[in-house]
Parts: sequence; structure tokens; C-alpha cells
Amino acid sequence: KAGVTQTPRYLIKTRGQQVTLSCSPISGHRSVSWYQQTPGQGLQFLFEYFSETQRNKGNFPGRFSGRQFSNSRSEMNVSTLELGDSALYLCASSKGTSNTEAFFGQGTRLTVV
Amino acid sequence: QKEVEQNSGPLSVPEGAIASLNCTYSDRGSQSFFWYRQYSGKSPELIMSIYSNGDKEDGRFTAQLNKASQYVSLLIRDSQPSDSATYLCAVTADNYGQNFVFGPGTRLSVLP
Repeated sequence: KAGVTQTPRYLIKTRGQQVTLSCSPISGHRSVSWYQQTPGQGLQFLFEYFSETQRNKGNFPGRFSGRQFSNSRSEMNVSTLELGDSALYLCASSKGTSNTEAFFGQGTRLTVV
Repeated sequence: QKEVEQNSGPLSVPEGAIASLNCTYSDRGSQSFFWYRQYSGKSPELIMSIYSNGDKEDGRFTAQLNKASQYVSLLIRDSQPSDSATYLCAVTADNYGQNFVFGPGTRLSVLP
């Protein structure tokens, strides 16, 4: 059974640019959540998509956005990149029903220079 | 502000000993609780989930939940050097949503 796939694994972008990250969940999973991990702030929740709808949202500025497609694949977009956006971005896949577990992808390491 | 607290460590235990990792949370409405293990440079890996008060065992791992005390713990029996990693406690107040609040993690070092 294939796991959660995130692409690309590494990205280097310049301040002011925008970036799109992709996450393909485990087959049959309908929920995709996105997290940002930095040494200073730890793992922080960005947003969750379930059946193409944003179901939950964390406390991040509007520069961070996402979407989910009918095949449950999700994309996350960050516009007007800042140096502080440098982080490991993780997506988690789950069935999205009551009391279900979430499994993380390998992450995308974004460096903003 | 919902918070999850963990001792940052490092927690050092000798090989074969029991490692005890603790986590407290502030939101009394929290419903689901998870322990993840994260090796340096890797993504979090799910170890255990627990949803009701009491103990849940899976191999060498036992999760304990006490909602009245807002406390969840993870015991690792017969600790191995390969258990050396950062252990993250994750809590959600939403039974359906995967909007976890993570603790800062406890770094565990198992000494051969």
C-alpha cells in the first residue's frame, strides 16, 4: 500500500516568489492536513481539506492557501515568500472520519533566500 | 490558546530500561491523542493513538490517558538504541478533523 507522497522534496525560492507544494494521500483517504515545522515553533497546523472542502484552518496569514482535488490530492500555495517561511512542510493523510489516525508524508523542505 | 506541553529532554535511559514520556494539554475538550516518533531529518511516524481513559498497549509501547488530569503518557519497555528519537504528543479536540496541536517533543536517547 503506497504511503503519503509529497513533491517536491526540496525547494529553494527567492523572497517575494510563490511556491506550490503537492501531497497525494493514501488511497482511500479523504482528509489531507498541512503542517509547518520549524526549529523555533515546532509543528504548527496550517489547514485541513476533506472532500475538496477546507474543514479546519490554523492561524497563518492569507498568503498560505490550499485546495483539494476530486482524487483527494492536495496542493498548498504560499505567495509572496518571506525568509521566515523557510521550513519543513508536512502533509498528513487520514480517512477523516471519527477517531482515525493520520499518517505523514516525507515533507517538502522549503528554503527561502 | 490550546497548548500541549512536554519535557524537551533529552531523556537518557540505558538499553533495556523503561522510558517514560509525558504530555499535558490545556484544552479539556480534547478528544483524540496521538504519539509520533520523529527521527532527525525525517517526518513524524505514528506510534500510538488513544481515545479513552486508561491504558492501551501495542508491543513494547503503552499509552496512558487520564482526561481528568489532562495527561497522556507513553511508556517504552525494553528500550533499544533505535528508539532514540524525538517523541511528539499530538492532541485534537475534533473527533473528525485532523487539526492537531503538537507538543514541542521530547528527545529520547537510549544508551547502549
